Amino acid sequence: QVQLVQSGAEVKKPGSSVKVSCKASGGTFSSYAISWVRQAPGQGLEWMGGIIPIFSTAKYAQKFQGRVTITTDESTSTAYMELSSLRSDDTAVYYCATGTEQLLVQPYVYWGQGTLVTVSS
Amino acid sequence: DIVMTQSPDSLAVSLGERATINCKSSQSVLYSSNNNNYLAWYQQKPGQPPKLLIYWASTRESGVPDRFSGSGSGTDFTLTISSLQAEDVAVYYCQQYYSTPQYSFGQGTKLEIK
Repeated sequence: QVQLVQSGAEVKKPGSSVKVSCKASGGTFSSYAISWVRQAPGQGLEWMGGIIPIFSTAKYAQKFQGRVTITTDESTSTAYMELSSLRSDDTAVYYCATGTEQLLVQPYVYWGQGTLVTVSS
Repeated sequence: DIVMTQSPDSLAVSLGERATINCKSSQSVLYSSNNNNYLAWYQQKPGQPPKLLIYWASTRESGVPDRFSGSGSGTDFTLTISSLQAEDVAVYYCQQYYSTPQYSFGQGTKLEIK
């Protein structure tokens, strides 16, 4: 059973950056494909990007290109999502998610608990 | 990019009655080589991450009650709850995993008790 545990809530100023972590356990980290999905308050789910650790190559949604960086640290089985140039509309809960296949596009069986990022001056 | 559109945006159903949520994709998510529809359904309750209910359009995830069923093919899909229970109050999302995941989720349908 895969478990994803995310870092805690963050409050950031506009223009700054945030880095959220997602630590995986219960499986072989290199075999996962970790995606990041965000949810603004009262809104739906939005895929931001993802990475397959064994390939170390991330793919990003066009909307976030140039602002988001997704990385992994296989030594600690942790994935990271860093979002820069934060704006107030980046206030959201950020989730990491994965499934049973080594694919970014798949049903997400396993989800982190979510990390609330609040952007406010 | 494939865009997913759900209907209705919200729905109120009496306990014990049937609830039906629709999802339409802008392009077919049926992969002809394996005849699988790359469509999943999720349930999200307040303060929780989404929970996978159904994948391949009609296969229930382990542990999901059999009152939940999925149907459809190509571009038109339906999630049905045969007899609504109080614990089914949630927002439901469809997701295509046929192609690039940008815009892969529908906008969500809020299900309430009438």
